[in-house]
Amino acid sequence: AQKVTQAQTEISVVEKEDVTLDCVYETRDTTYYLFWYKQPPSGELVFLIRRNSFDEQNEISGRYSWNFQKSTSSFNFTITASQVVDSAVYFCALIVITASKLTFGTGTRLQVTL
Amino acid sequence: DTGVSQNPRHKITKRGQNVTFRCDPISEHNRLYWYRQTLGQGPEFLTYFQNEAQLEKSRLLSDRFSAERPKGSFSTLEIQRTEQGDSAMYLCASSLLWGAADNEQFFGPGTRLTVL
Repeated sequence: AQKVTQAQTEISVVEKEDVTLDCVYETRDTTYYLFWYKQPPSGELVFLIRRNSFDEQNEISGRYSWNFQKSTSSFNFTITASQVVDSAVYFCALIVITASKLTFGTGTRLQVTL
Repeated sequence: DTGVSQNPRHKITKRGQNVTFRCDPISEHNRLYWYRQTLGQGPEFLTYFQNEAQLEKSRLLSDRFSAERPKGSFSTLEIQRTEQGDSAMYLCASSLLWGAADNEQFFGPGTRLTVL
């Protein structure tokens, strides 16, 4: 069985601060994909990134960056210079190649204030 | 709009009533998923279809729940004899499967069910 843990329930930062959202996963499969989704107050899940288990290269997309470390089973997400529009619930998720369902963490609510 | 659509967006019903939700996936996507999300939790998998075939059902999907995808396009999720514990956001997602790898799942806006 797969498991995704997001230990941070809620984080509050002031605009322009950097913030890192933690994600730890568990799986016995060697081939899997990790995802981050954003869920704004409107409720729709917005895809942010997908990373496969064979690609540990860190990725940067604008103010977003992701750090994947298989040695610690972590896939952390950093927002640089946070903005109020970043306020949302962020979910980390896992899918293994032998199954088709996403396993989500419980989410981290990020509140960015002025 | 070429994204995943769901109807209705909100549904309020009385305990014991039946409800049906509809999901229209992205047109070329052959896989369709249903998830349920309760307050403060991440989405939990309910079931998924590949074309018309329902390939997996979660243990969360009790006998009161049934899902169909009759022509491999839109899907419906029906809950019979609703209970207050069924109150949740029901999310639909679709993806395009090719080769042996599953692709990104695109989510719809969800149907929020409130059972009084």
